Amino acid sequence: DAKTTQPPSMDCAEGRAANLPCNHSTISGNEYVYWYRQIHSQGPQYIIHGLKNNETNEMASLIITEDRKSSTLILPHATLRDTAVYYCIVRGLAGNQFYFGTGTSLTVIP
Amino acid sequence: KAGVTQTPRYLIKTRGQQVTLSCSPISGHRSVSWYQQTPGQGLQFLFEYFSETQRNKGNFPGRFSGRQFSNSRSEMNVSTLELGDSALYLCASSLVPPPGGLHGYTFGSGTRLTVV
Repeated sequence: DAKTTQPPSMDCAEGRAANLPCNHSTISGNEYVYWYRQIHSQGPQYIIHGLKNNETNEMASLIITEDRKSSTLILPHATLRDTAVYYCIVRGLAGNQFYFGTGTSLTVIP
Repeated sequence: KAGVTQTPRYLIKTRGQQVTLSCSPISGHRSVSWYQQTPGQGLQFLFEYFSETQRNKGNFPGRFSGRQFSNSRSEMNVSTLELGDSALYLCASSLVPPPGGLHGYTFGSGTRLTVV
């Protein structure tokens, strides 16, 4: 499975959109991009995943570049409860695990 | 519906002892995975079970073992505990393993193990 690169930390003002980037330049054609987040002292929580098209659900939007080498998770209106570590993960259908990496620590500021 | 339940939530053990952690997946989920989380190494994959069979194993010593029962509940065991085994142990379940598990896992809140 391809590895990912994320900025270690980001701040976002409450009510504004939080845009979290992820680089996955070695991604192969059958690998999906997943996003999870982990709020302090809890288990990781699934947010969204995609293959090549942009995706949106009730939690977030996922924008994947045309060459699929990078993606951006968008939280449209960040709240204080969105403060967490966000993990971008690339995994193929045959992948045997999620490689979480170090993630991005997002702090939403009042 | 009930989430993934891990017991106990907290545990303190002495070096050299062994420990067993339990995970009850979401009802109907047949795939269970275990991860170890430490401040230095982050989240690391331990093993994955499906239908009572270990499908994959991470890069951990043989002191770490696990099993899955016919009701999909899973246990992991660590023998001869070392100080470095202190960590948050997370269990995750999904309906089926990949390629069916594309929506990912649902994680439990974990068991915090402290080895003294």
